[in-house]
Amino acid sequence: DAKTTQPPSMDCAEGRAANLPCNHSTISGNEYVYWYRQIHSQGPQYIIHGLKNNETNEMASLIITEDRKSSTLILPHATLRDTAVYYCIVPEADSDSWGKLQFGAGTQVVVTP
Amino acid sequence: DAGVIQSPRHEVTEMGQEVTLRCKPISGHNSLFWYRQTMMRGLELLIYFNNNVPIDDSGMPEDRFSAKMPNASFSTLKIQPSEPRDSAVYFCASNHRGGGQPQHFGDGTRLSIL
Repeated sequence: DAKTTQPPSMDCAEGRAANLPCNHSTISGNEYVYWYRQIHSQGPQYIIHGLKNNETNEMASLIITEDRKSSTLILPHATLRDTAVYYCIVPEADSDSWGKLQFGAGTQVVVTP
Repeated sequence: DAGVIQSPRHEVTEMGQEVTLRCKPISGHNSLFWYRQTMMRGLELLIYFNNNVPIDDSGMPEDRFSAKMPNASFSTLKIQPSEPRDSAVYFCASNHRGGGQPQHFGDGTRLSIL
């Protein structure tokens, strides 16, 4: 996988936007950026993914820089239930490595009242 | 819609016993993945299947581990004989291969080997 770098932790106030950065400077042109989160004791939950364009769904927005070397996951109105570890993953797109998600340490997000 | 279904949710057994974990992928998905999560190693991919065929098992720790996918709606991960170091949470995920489709995970099986 293209190596991703995320801050180990961040705090966010309830009701405010949470902006989670991720660096992936070695990303290739056909590799997607995926974001997952894992709430304690649960399975990883898919949030959003993108290739080149910014994306938005009911959970979050994904902003990818024009050079694709970094991205930001935005949780528009954080709630206490958004407290989780957030993973930014860029799996390799070649056929031999296809589908292999490599989970790093992620960012521990704590939403406080 | 039903998500990925794993069973059992919890398993406690003694060292040396055979353990079988089960997974039902999301209907219509043609790829299935088995992961293991421990405090020491985090989340790691063990094996994945495409169209019921094992594609990459390089993450399987040793010969005591085996996985099968006899049909599109069922997969098993077996450990025989089990050891205390196999204690972990095991997750199954599935997706439809192609177009960058994301993997969707089950709730996991928490395995404790005494």
